[in-house]
Amino acid sequence: DTEVTQTPKHLVMGMTNKKSLKCEQHMGHRAMYWYKQKAKKPPELMFVYSYEKLSINESVPSRFSPECPNSSLLNLHLHALQPEDSALYLCASSPAGRRSGQPQHFGDGTRLSIL
Amino acid sequence: EDQVTQSPEALRLQEGESSSLNCSYTVSGLRGLFWYRQDPGKGPEFLFTLYSAGEEKEKERLKATLTKKESFLHITAPKPEDSATYLCAVSTEGVGGTSYGKLTFGQGTILTVHP
Repeated sequence: DTEVTQTPKHLVMGMTNKKSLKCEQHMGHRAMYWYKQKAKKPPELMFVYSYEKLSINESVPSRFSPECPNSSLLNLHLHALQPEDSALYLCASSPAGRRSGQPQHFGDGTRLSIL
Repeated sequence: EDQVTQSPEALRLQEGESSSLNCSYTVSGLRGLFWYRQDPGKGPEFLFTLYSAGEEKEKERLKATLTKKESFLHITAPKPEDSATYLCAVSTEGVGGTSYGKLTFGQGTILTVHP
């Protein structure tokens, strides 16, 4: 079992639906991340939150909207997605601060399928 | 631009046949090099962090080493349960002085160990 919990594990949605992915960690980490991973490819960074503030948006389309309600929770709101957005969405967390060489710890992801 | 290259892309071993995976990197301001294991349908599982040339870390049948240009993941007497994709990633200086380290991943090595 990982220490980063993601829900739901699987999600099927139509292109007009609105849904949200959720991520929770209780390791006291103050940096949290969203990644997208396609089959047989490494994870691709989407967003980074540091101390509950958005630090990086890797030019992600606006149909993906992140939210960090508190230091333990991270959400990804989805709206009007395209079939090419089908992928495994991973959440990760790490300590923040000056020692940026700390490992990120990943959840098991949400498998998203867009019909 | 930071680059991470893993080789081979795929490796098939017989149980008990030791081997090594390679991760070559070209980065500025290395903060840490990380090895992860990823099983199908799961998130990456953290294995090791290496910070400086000459450093070595061990865990069960795995040993990671680091030079100024590459890292090796040595697998001694592998078992079928070691079959997975192994990902190498580097963390570099935080952008604009911010307090996180962006990960750059290699493409991964798919390891299959036959009984």
